[in-house]
Amino acid sequence: DGGITQSPKYLFRKEGQNVTLSCEQNLNHDAMYWYRQDPGQGLRLIYYSQIVNDFQKGDIAEGYSVSREKKESFPLTVTSAQKNPTAFYLCASKEPGGGELFFGEGSRLTVL
Amino acid sequence: EDKVVQSPLSLVVHEGDTVTLNCSYEVTNFRSLLWYKQEKKAPTFLFMLTSSGIEKKSGRLSSILDKKELFSILNITATQTGDSAVYLCAVGRNTGNQFYFGTGTSLTVIP
Repeated sequence: DGGITQSPKYLFRKEGQNVTLSCEQNLNHDAMYWYRQDPGQGLRLIYYSQIVNDFQKGDIAEGYSVSREKKESFPLTVTSAQKNPTAFYLCASKEPGGGELFFGEGSRLTVL
Repeated sequence: EDKVVQSPLSLVVHEGDTVTLNCSYEVTNFRSLLWYKQEKKAPTFLFMLTSSGIEKKSGRLSSILDKKELFSILNITATQTGDSAVYLCAVGRNTGNQFYFGTGTSLTVIP
């Protein structure tokens, strides 16, 4: 079945550690996105990529990094510079042109 | 600054009631408005409204887009407990491939 797979689903880390969240899609979509969701704040865009080897910062990119070496994969690294990393992270993709976003199941990161 | 505002923030209704959720937006270069339902994890797609499709209906759910007044509504008739979720509104732009989300409306349907 085509879809987006995020891993891990739950992650606990100590303050000061970098963590990498995985996002893989087999929908053959060009565009991929990372959103952060906090209670009462909706989804906020961290980074997005429209094609391989290219990505742009979203509204809250500080303390995060991404790479897009393959069309299927768009991993997100939460660095120690991110001041408040505890959140629910959603990866999404979209086919070229119009159309809706397809979402993964999300990764919940808790920093202790 | 581009923004999407949803109201109300939360809503509690009884089974069988009809609800109307609101989404207003100020987004340059508007392309589309999307509604999603989020129960626990991944948002699931409900509708996409564009200039060429300003009204959509699926079962008990329907949505309209008013491009002149820059808002959309999502109607749910004869609500059921399974409709309990957060409903998200997102607006897509023609340039940049970005989507802007509202804060969501949390709907609780009690038996």
